[in-house]
Order: sequence, then structure tokens, then C-alpha cells
Amino acid sequence: EVQLLESGGGLVQPGGSLRLSCAASGFTFGNYALTWVRQAPGKGLEWVALISSAGGTTYYADSVKGRFAISRDTSDNTVYLQMNSLRAEDTATYYCARRATPTATTGNWFDPWGQGTLVIVSS
Amino acid sequence: DIQMTQSPSSVSASVGDRVAITCRASQAISTWVAWYQQKPGKAPKLLISAASTLQSGVPSRFSGSGSGTDFTLTITSLQPEDFATYFCQQAYKFPLTFGGGTKVEIK
Repeated sequence: EVQLLESGGGLVQPGGSLRLSCAASGFTFGNYALTWVRQAPGKGLEWVALISSAGGTTYYADSVKGRFAISRDTSDNTVYLQMNSLRAEDTATYYCARRATPTATTGNWFDPWGQGTLVIVSS
Repeated sequence: DIQMTQSPSSVSASVGDRVAITCRASQAISTWVAWYQQKPGKAPKLLISAASTLQSGVPSRFSGSGSGTDFTLTITSLQPEDFATYFCQQAYKFPLTFGGGTKVEIK
């Protein structure tokens, strides 16, 4: 069974840092791009970042560019989101998700998703 | 950035009803659209990719259509388990963007 399990969320002060982890299992990790998507309480979905299957290419939303960094470690099948200079508007549940297919020519849509980890930025 | 304008933002419907949700892209995106279902407290679930490709295990009462700028998710014969929020997403180019969501509520 394909599974993604996020961890690392919590309460952090504005300006602080946090690193989220997403442990993957049940599939060949190195074959799939992975992404982070967030959802502020009671709001819609906002794409945050994506890392290619080999890890050599990353993409970011403008709202996090320069503050967040996505990475992956094939030794433990984990994708990370390093979040620096956190702001109140970064408060959200952060989901990691796997690209639905390994083929680079098909679209960047995602399945499955993890259960999410909540990040609260507040003093 | 490509804006995805989803409508309606909410709809009240009864079991057995047909529901149509639309998404309009701010520029032509061919068929690079996906639809997700999200239930309260749960992660989104991919229903449809490439505008009209039903994912494995998704009931056939769900269907997607459209290309260019206008896309539709249709649920025929709404079932109790379909009451949820639905999101569209464009995969044409980065940054990836989602529609604002449509909450399907019980009438």
C-alpha cells in the first residue's frame, strides 16, 4: 500500500523555522516527483513546492520562494520542507503528495496524499 | 499565474440529483486539469486527471469534461458519500494553482 506520513508540524513564532518530513512507503521512491500543498484553516488548497523524481529540479510558489526549501533523501525515502522566516499567513495544514504517475510527460496531479501536519505560526 | 475560477462555491442537492461544477482557467490550458474530492478532516483524493480520465476505483457517476479554458465535473445521481468539497487544479504550468473549491451540501 502506498503511504505518505507527514510529521514535524507544531507551533512556531513568527520569524522562526520548522522542518516538515514526509516518509514514503509502498512504491519506488526514486521514480516519482513529490509535492507539498497547504490548506489554511477553513480555506482552499495552495500548492507550495515540488521536487522532481531525481531531486535535481524544484519549483516553488511565489509566496514561499526564498523562504522554503524542498528536498528529498533516497536513503530513507523521505521528502522534506524546510520553512524559514515563517509568517502568520503560513499557518496551515501541510500535505505531502506523490505525483500520480512516474512518467514525466503526464501531468502534475497528485495521488495519494498524506494525512497532513498542522503548522501554526503565532506569538 | 493561471487563475482557476470555480463555481458555484457551494451547492445544496439531494441524494439522486445531478450536480455540475465548473472551473474556468484564465488562459487556455488544453486538458491539463485534475479534480479532487475532500471530506472534512481528510486529505484530498484525486478523482479525475487530464480533464476526463477517471481514476481507478472512482465510481462512474463522476465524470469530467472540457478543454481550453472551461471544465466541468459532473456527478450523476448524487450519493450520501459524495457530500464533500471539490477542487479543480491546473497542471499546465508552474505555479500549479487550484480553484477555490465547491462545497456540495445536503439539501
